This record gives sequence, C-alpha cells and structure tokens, in this order.
Amino acid sequence: QSALTQPASVSGSPGQSITISCTGTSSDVGGYNYVSWYQHHPGKAPKLMIYEVSNRPSGVSNRFSGSKSGNTASLTISGLQAEDEADYYCTSHITSSTLVFGGGTKLTVL
Amino acid sequence: QVQLVQSGAEVKKPGASVKVSCKASGYNFSRFGISWVRQAPGQGLEWMGWINADNGNTNYAQNLQGRVTMTTDTSTSTAYMELRSLRSDDTAVYYCARVGVLVPANWCDPWGQGTLVTVSS
Repeated sequence: QSALTQPASVSGSPGQSITISCTGTSSDVGGYNYVSWYQHHPGKAPKLMIYEVSNRPSGVSNRFSGSKSGNTASLTISGLQAEDEADYYCTSHITSSTLVFGGGTKLTVL
Repeated sequence: QVQLVQSGAEVKKPGASVKVSCKASGYNFSRFGISWVRQAPGQGLEWMGWINADNGNTNYAQNLQGRVTMTTDTSTSTAYMELRSLRSDDTAVYYCARVGVLVPANWCDPWGQGTLVTVSS
C-alpha cells in the first residue's frame, strides 16, 4: 500500500494561515471519512489533532481544522504560532483494520 | 489520565528478535485496541499493525507479515510487539497507540513515548 501524498514542507509567518494537503485515492481518502491528522515534535510522541476528517479532540486548539474534497484531505492551521512548528502526518483507513500514513510535512514558522 | 508507557531502548544484532512492551493505564484496556507504528531515522511514520486487546485479533502490515507478532496481557494491561529476524533497516523508534475496536483504522490516541530499537553488528 503506497503512502498518502503530502508536501514535504510548508512555511508561514506567525499569525498567518497555512494548509497541508493529503492526497490519496478513492480506495482510501476518497472512500471513507476516516482521515486523521497528527502533530509530531521530534523526540516526542505524536499527538492527534483531527479525526474523522474534521473533528477536533478535546483540548486541541480551534486554530486547527480539517476538511476533505474528493481524494484530498486538508489540514488548516490559522493564526500560526511558533509552537506549531512540527511535522504533520495524515492517515487514512484502507480497510476497517488497515491504516496508511502520509509521507509527512515539515511546517516551519518563519 | 489515559497513558501508555513503553519499555526502554534496545540494541540488537542482525538476525535477533526484540520485544517491546506498552503498559496502559487510565482506561479499560480490554475495550480498545493497540496499534504499533515505527519511524526510521529521517523517515516518516509507518503503520505496523493492530491488535484487539480483548480477543487478540490482529492485522499486520503486509511488509511485516511473518516477522511481527503482537500480543496483549489483559491481567497487566500491557501490549507487546515482537519483531524477529532483525535487519539494519528495522532500526527505528517504535510507538504504541490506543485505537478503537469497531474501526481500528481510525484515530490513534494517545501514543506511548516511543522505544528506540537499534540493530547493529
């Protein structure tokens, strides 16, 4: 199973908004509403930021939002802050018990 | 609070096996599953597989079939991941994460702190 396609890097200035895309196929991203997004600071445990395309777990800032159109899911971070600088990964359901990750996107806050 | 605590770093020789543990607390262990994910140096996250903590049903990534075994011990709320016939490209940080059981391939939350496994002669 091929990894989902994410841009290798994105950047933005504090206060700006950025969007990270996650492109798959009709067999994964496009076929189910089971897309999640994770924030990963190096050396720390990944953190769930968005699940089921657009839901935020309790405690996650409302500056983080998710959406999907066709075979592409997106994570938008508004009001960029220095602490948002991290790697971001999307995942999608392939079968009920098989998951695939995106290749990851490095977010730099300028 | 819900927490997963993993065992410490390991150094193994090629061809050996490693068994990483993941102890859960703060929730009913048997009502969820555990997924395992790894990250090789400089690489992205890779899903390895999933186990239902209650009945032991598993699903492994195709590329690891035959080399990986995931188990759980409900009496101690601990999950285990054993990887055999280790190669240098198995060097990675290994993470466990709690998942649902109705649709395991959905969210992973929370994650353990990670266990570094180094394979070197």
